[in-house]
Amino acid sequence: EPEVTQTPSHQVTQMGQEVILRCVPISNHLYFYWYRQILGQKVEFLVSFYNNEISEKSEIFDDQFSVERPDGSNFTLKIRSTKLEDSAMYFCASSDIGTSNTEAFFGQGTRLTVV
Amino acid sequence: GIQVEQSPPDLILQEGANSTLRCNFSDSVNNLQWFHQNPWGQLINLFYIPSGTKQNGRLSATTVATERYSLLYISSSQTTDSGVYFCAVDSVKTSYDKVIFGPGTSLSVIP
Repeated sequence: EPEVTQTPSHQVTQMGQEVILRCVPISNHLYFYWYRQILGQKVEFLVSFYNNEISEKSEIFDDQFSVERPDGSNFTLKIRSTKLEDSAMYFCASSDIGTSNTEAFFGQGTRLTVV
Repeated sequence: GIQVEQSPPDLILQEGANSTLRCNFSDSVNNLQWFHQNPWGQLINLFYIPSGTKQNGRLSATTVATERYSLLYISSSQTTDSGVYFCAVDSVKTSYDKVIFGPGTSLSVIP
């Protein structure tokens, strides 16, 4: 069964450093997402991406964050100048025709720890 | 935006017991999904169920879209069912083309 894959599964970084979280969505999907879950809290929407551009972003997704689809298969989330409060689980998801019409498939997550 | 509530927030079950988890949402939805987050933090798709009833082994789900709720049934619970159960919805009016998660129900199944 096709799946969304995320790498790395766990990343530890020093405060102030930049990190790139990587995702390979399901191959024929057109909509891509990043979500964040701070430990013990609910899963929060960060950004959606369609047709090579951001279609929507939450208030959490400020200038510290950026997303990119550098080639036909990868979808990345870059976090610049990381802060302690960026420590969280980050989930990538994809959907073929948008979640208004079909389900989203989530990756296994990347646990980011900022020290 | 759309509001998603889940109840109960916490649940402890003896192995073998049955349970019902509820998800209420404040607006009409085009998409409703149930997820299980295991102790390692991974999100597992359980059901895509914007309406109707589905079953998968010991788990089943029912969504009554007109009354704005969904139920997840777990029968003959096992310790591996422990974790957090989330529902997530997409409402055309208020969250177009993205799913919004509820706060989750934390389930502990004890032997």
